[in-house]
Amino acid sequence: EAQVTQNPRYLITVTGKKLTVTCSQNMNHEYMSWYRQDPGLGLRQIYYSMNVEVTDKGDVPEGYKVSRKEKRNFPLILESPSPNQTSLYFCASSRLAGGLTDTQYFGPGTRLTVL
Amino acid sequence: AQSVSQHNHHVILSEAASLELGCNYSYGGTVNLFWYVQYPGQHLQLLLKYFSGDPLVKGIKGFEAEFIKSKFSFNLRKPSVQWSDTAEYFCAVNPGTTSGTYKYIFGTGTRLKVLA
Repeated sequence: EAQVTQNPRYLITVTGKKLTVTCSQNMNHEYMSWYRQDPGLGLRQIYYSMNVEVTDKGDVPEGYKVSRKEKRNFPLILESPSPNQTSLYFCASSRLAGGLTDTQYFGPGTRLTVL
Repeated sequence: AQSVSQHNHHVILSEAASLELGCNYSYGGTVNLFWYVQYPGQHLQLLLKYFSGDPLVKGIKGFEAEFIKSKFSFNLRKPSVQWSDTAEYFCAVNPGTTSGTYKYIFGTGTRLKVLA
């Protein structure tokens, strides 16, 4: 089954404790992206990747890191989480061919709480 | 900065009522436009998209949207809503890769509640 998986689905942590949220897709998609969803603010793009070893900042990259060492995986790293990073995080993937006209497939979301 | 505006934050309708959700974007060049939907407890999924051709596009579950370039708009419509359309709806834009950027901009979302 074609899917985007994220782990963990729920995470409660404390300020400053490094964490990684994993994202994996099995559709051989070139484009992968991380978003955060906050009430009243919709989805905001954190980082995206056009292919292996090619990443770029979205609109809200501060406090986050990403890496794309393999095509299927795109982990999101919070080196020193802070309470303002409490949010619902989504990973998504799509083909890049066609100039970003393709559908993005979203993961189930990771609800992160930073105390 | 590029932005996407969804004017209706919360909409409540009775079943069989008609729906129109507004979406306006601020970007002067070519754009790819999308509507995504998030049903309660489910993943975000694509409703419909426009990137070229007929500006009236049809999507899943009876939804359609019209791209009006002069108004920078991509409003979502459905002639008769059902209780199962209760969800949050997001408009999204990207300028296409010829612009040199691969960013997506989403709107703030519209929560639709349909009363049975």
